[in-house]
Amino acid sequence: DIQLTQSPSFLSASVGDRVTITCRASQGISSYLAWYQQKPGKAPKLLIYAASTLQSGVPSRFSGSESGTEFTLTISSLQPEDFATYYCQQLNSYPWTFGQGTKVEIK
Amino acid sequence: EVQLVESGGGLVQPGRSLRLSCTTSGFTFGDDAMSWFRQAPGKGLEWVGFIRSKAFGGTTEYAASVKGRFTISRDDSKIIAYLQMNGLKTEDTAVYYCTRVLLVGSGTYYPFDWGQGTLVTVSS
Repeated sequence: DIQLTQSPSFLSASVGDRVTITCRASQGISSYLAWYQQKPGKAPKLLIYAASTLQSGVPSRFSGSESGTEFTLTISSLQPEDFATYYCQQLNSYPWTFGQGTKVEIK
Repeated sequence: EVQLVESGGGLVQPGRSLRLSCTTSGFTFGDDAMSWFRQAPGKGLEWVGFIRSKAFGGTTEYAASVKGRFTISRDDSKIIAYLQMNGLKTEDTAVYYCTRVLLVGSGTYYPFDWGQGTLVTVSS
């Protein structure tokens, strides 16, 4: 199975900060990676797919990039509604697997 | 507007069975693949399984943790997806999410739309 290692597991940030979350795959997954946002008690929401394609309706402050087996989710200017847990997921091969999550909290 | 509504969750004893339903609207159900995910209380997300559309054979894939116990099916006439869960274990306790999965380009599938989830508790 492909392992995804997300870092950090937790980060504390302020409104307006630039935030970067990293997801490292244990082997090549092409660009078959998605990023999700999940708020407490709610279903995950797809933010980015194919590593860097912004899902319709998602604010442009969210962006995704890749370099080899390392993928990055960037929030250019953190907003109050962005405090949540973020997950990466690989869909290159079965079983689809997730990173362990990154919880973004208010500093 | 795409809507996915899961139902059928609840409290069940270990070893028993439960069937979850995912009632859909707002899209052409028969054209799309569907997938189930779950999230144990306070834990991360886990993929359960996936069913392709009839155009792609209607075939399924499963996580190793549920293979042989869980079965995903679909009724295109009723526009409902199902997750039949047999031989339930305490570690199957989770919120179960139904998703609409779209094939992007000639690449792979992505879960674009999610239901609100239904809680399954396996306990004696």
